[in-house]
Amino acid sequence: GAGVSQSPSNKVTEKGKDVELRCDPISGHTALYWYRQRLGQGLEFLIYFQGNSAPDKSGLPSDRFSAERTGESVSTLTIQRTQQEDSAVYLCASSNRGGANSPLHFGNGTRLTVT
Amino acid sequence: AQKITQTQPGMFVQEKEAVTLDCTYDTSDQSYGLFWYKQPSSGEMIFLIYQGSYDEQNATEGRYSLNFQKARKSANLVISASQLGDSAMYFCAMREVTAGSYQLTFGKGTKLSVIP
Repeated sequence: GAGVSQSPSNKVTEKGKDVELRCDPISGHTALYWYRQRLGQGLEFLIYFQGNSAPDKSGLPSDRFSAERTGESVSTLTIQRTQQEDSAVYLCASSNRGGANSPLHFGNGTRLTVT
Repeated sequence: AQKITQTQPGMFVQEKEAVTLDCTYDTSDQSYGLFWYKQPSSGEMIFLIYQGSYDEQNATEGRYSLNFQKARKSANLVISASQLGDSAMYFCAMREVTAGSYQLTFGKGTKLSVIP
């Protein structure tokens, strides 16, 4: 498809387990973003990748959260030792350049439930 | 201080009427961009409209227009001729260019309900 693809769409995990969330951006998009959206809340920035530049990790809430991106393609968000407060929808987005006027194109998200 | 403030948690509008969703922002940057997104109950985030800080004209996209008042730091979304399908959450967002990171900072959103 032409849009941002995220997998899995839903993930239920036990507290303390590690999870990996995957994002496949729109082909040719150099910028990739991860956001978190708790139930009924706005979007919380986590991390931003732009080409081969160092990522902006300023939004990661703790060292249990990390993300990688291979070149300008797939990204993986990893949450270690999950906690119940990590339950949220994790949204990935991409844009075709890092300019001020480039809108973000979002995937449908991964709904993470930590039991 | 919040960078994006949306003061209306919920709004109701009669079908076919116009509605304004408020957004104020806080930045010391001269170069920034303002965005509005729609999030239906299905959860997808749909880009609606963009306004650049240097744009002299208010942005318009079909039934959507942005009432940009730079001195007041407001970027209100106007939806004309509301339709039932406009019922959704609406998020205002800002990108501050000079910060070096191109992340968008989002407001908490306004839930719009269109009444038949």
